[in-house]
Amino acid sequence: AQSVTQLGSHVSVSEGALVLLRCNYSSSVPPYLFWYVQYPNQGLQLLLKYTSAATLVKGINGFEAEFKKSETSFHLTKPSAHMSDAAEYFCAVTSSGNTGKLIFGQGTTLQVKP
Amino acid sequence: DAGVTQSPTHLIKTRGQHVTLRCSPISGHKSVSWYQQVLGQGPQFIFQYYEKEERGRGNFPDRFSARQFPNYSSELNVNALLLGDSALYLCASSLGPGETYEQYFGPGTRLTVT
Repeated sequence: AQSVTQLGSHVSVSEGALVLLRCNYSSSVPPYLFWYVQYPNQGLQLLLKYTSAATLVKGINGFEAEFKKSETSFHLTKPSAHMSDAAEYFCAVTSSGNTGKLIFGQGTTLQVKP
Repeated sequence: DAGVTQSPTHLIKTRGQHVTLRCSPISGHKSVSWYQQVLGQGPQFIFQYYEKEERGRGNFPDRFSARQFPNYSSELNVNALLLGDSALYLCASSLGPGETYEQYFGPGTRLTVT
């Protein structure tokens, strides 16, 4: 069975500081991994996805994530936080033959302080 | 182009009642998935439909059902509502049912059961 664990339900950074949101996955088959962002009272927006190509994936709004098979991790980073980055972030996993069913982590709330 | 639309935006129901939620996918998308997001948690997969056929079902009771229409829109039905059914219900559409197809999420329907 596949699962996702997001370490830290709440992360607080200062504006301009590095953002690091942690995600570890469990999968017995090669995974497809995703990061989504959810702003208050809105649906989910895809930030980036890993589909077995390059291990360093670049997404929208300056975010990127690195797939590390040995660590079963897919952490999300951004060099410099902006106030507009404050939101809920979800890591998700799926796999081939899974009909695209996404399995989400519990989410991490990112707070950006001025 | 219009994104995924869902209706209603909010609704309040009483325990034991029935509810129908509606979703219109992005034009050209033939697959629709439904997710339940309880407050403070990540979305949980409920159903996926493709070409009017059920392609996947999550771990939800038989009180939950869905269908997809010839125009690819979809309905999610929940019978005998329980307080625990209170959640944000998200619809996602994609070109196809597989893991390589990006899922685009709607804004959700906020269901409150009293």
